[in-house]
Amino acid sequence: ETGVTQSPTHLIKTRGQQVTLRCSSQSGHNTVSWYQQALGQGPQFIFQYYREEENGRGNFPPRFSGLQFPNYSSELNVNALELDDSALYLCASSYSGLPFETQYFGPGTRLLVL
Amino acid sequence: ELKVEQNPLFLSMQEGKNYTIYCNYSTTSDRLYWYRQDPGKSLESLFVLLSNGAVKQEGRLMASLDTKARLSTLHITAAVHDLSATYFCAVTTSGTYKYIFGTGTRLKVLA
Repeated sequence: ETGVTQSPTHLIKTRGQQVTLRCSSQSGHNTVSWYQQALGQGPQFIFQYYREEENGRGNFPPRFSGLQFPNYSSELNVNALELDDSALYLCASSYSGLPFETQYFGPGTRLLVL
Repeated sequence: ELKVEQNPLFLSMQEGKNYTIYCNYSTTSDRLYWYRQDPGKSLESLFVLLSNGAVKQEGRLMASLDTKARLSTLHITAAVHDLSATYFCAVTTSGTYKYIFGTGTRLKVLA
């Protein structure tokens, strides 16, 4: 069974640029959630995708957008990058069919905005 | 809005000692999770607590849940250096899979 994978592992961008982060969910999982974790903080929920539809969103501006594909992999896109977007971005997958599911987190992508 | 607070934020303890990390949340929640995070790494699931009075144990860690007090505890017994990490609790709100994480407790076990 393959776990959650993310790419790239590290990324450096400059202010104003756009970035795309990728996530492959764990085998059998159809739900993907994205979180932003700033240094020294707990993860903050960005949004969740279930069967290719957005299923909930946190307090993030519209320049944070996402996609989920038929194979349940997902992308997080961030436009007009700001310095405060520097963080560890975590993807988590789960199988929504289970009554009390746990989200399984990927290794994360560390984004640095200069 | 659901808020989750942990204390202490930082904990330095000697090997062999016992200690408890506390997690308080502000409104009714479906379930509570504990995760461990090593520096520069992702989150590792430790426990899922589903009902009032639930207690789970794994090795030197024991987690409990009191839904009436909106409180979960993570108790560390006879700490060892390998337990050094940041521990997060997270709760979910009814009808969503959105996790609300606590502030984290950075634990350092000194040899």
